[in-house]
Amino acid sequence: SYVLTQPPSVSVAPGQTATVTCGGNNVGRKSVHWYQQRPGQAPMLVVYDDSVRPSGIPDRFSGSNSGDTATLTVTRVEAGDEADYYCQVWDTSTNSVVFGGGTKLTVL
Amino acid sequence: EVQLLESGGALAQPGGSLRLSCTTSGFTFSTYTMNWVRQAPGKGLEWVSGISGSGGTTYTAGSVKGRFTISRDNSKNTLYLQMNGLRAEDTAVYYCAKKPSNTGEYYFDSWGQGTLVTVSS
Repeated sequence: SYVLTQPPSVSVAPGQTATVTCGGNNVGRKSVHWYQQRPGQAPMLVVYDDSVRPSGIPDRFSGSNSGDTATLTVTRVEAGDEADYYCQVWDTSTNSVVFGGGTKLTVL
Repeated sequence: EVQLLESGGALAQPGGSLRLSCTTSGFTFSTYTMNWVRQAPGKGLEWVSGISGSGGTTYTAGSVKGRFTISRDNSKNTLYLQMNGLRAEDTAVYYCAKKPSNTGEYYFDSWGQGTLVTVSS
């Protein structure tokens, strides 16, 4: 089955740029979606179709996808961005949803 | 406004059964693919199952296939998950999640707040 690999943690100072990666075999050929989950809350969609932001998501959040790596970038990081971030794809070989293991973003 | 409200979570015995419900409002329920996603304590997200708007197509993760059954009642705007043969590793918060359309890319644009299922003797 398809596997998505994320770093367990990323740390960044306020105002700096955070980069969360999501690795998978030829993931650039798939559409990647990203979710933010703050402590004690349900997940929330922050980027879909590699790089599209849903209504209401700040333009500080952006996504890209090429080759074997998809990336979520958060610029001008704020304390409120501290959360777990998950990437997700649809695996056509098994007709199933695949999530990455999640990355905890810590704002120093 | 889209609202998803899960219920039915409880403490269950290993080998036991539970039925989860997700009551919805704010959108035309019958035209959207709906899903269950779970999260074990302190762990990541795991997709469980999905069902098309008509109910005619279902998808289920291998980890629960043969034990869990997804269904829906479009007259009641409600999604269900019948969970049989429960195991300790099924302990998790179960979220109801809406796919943005019945076709197109598979992701989730709305989530409920979740219901906790604990499997323990």
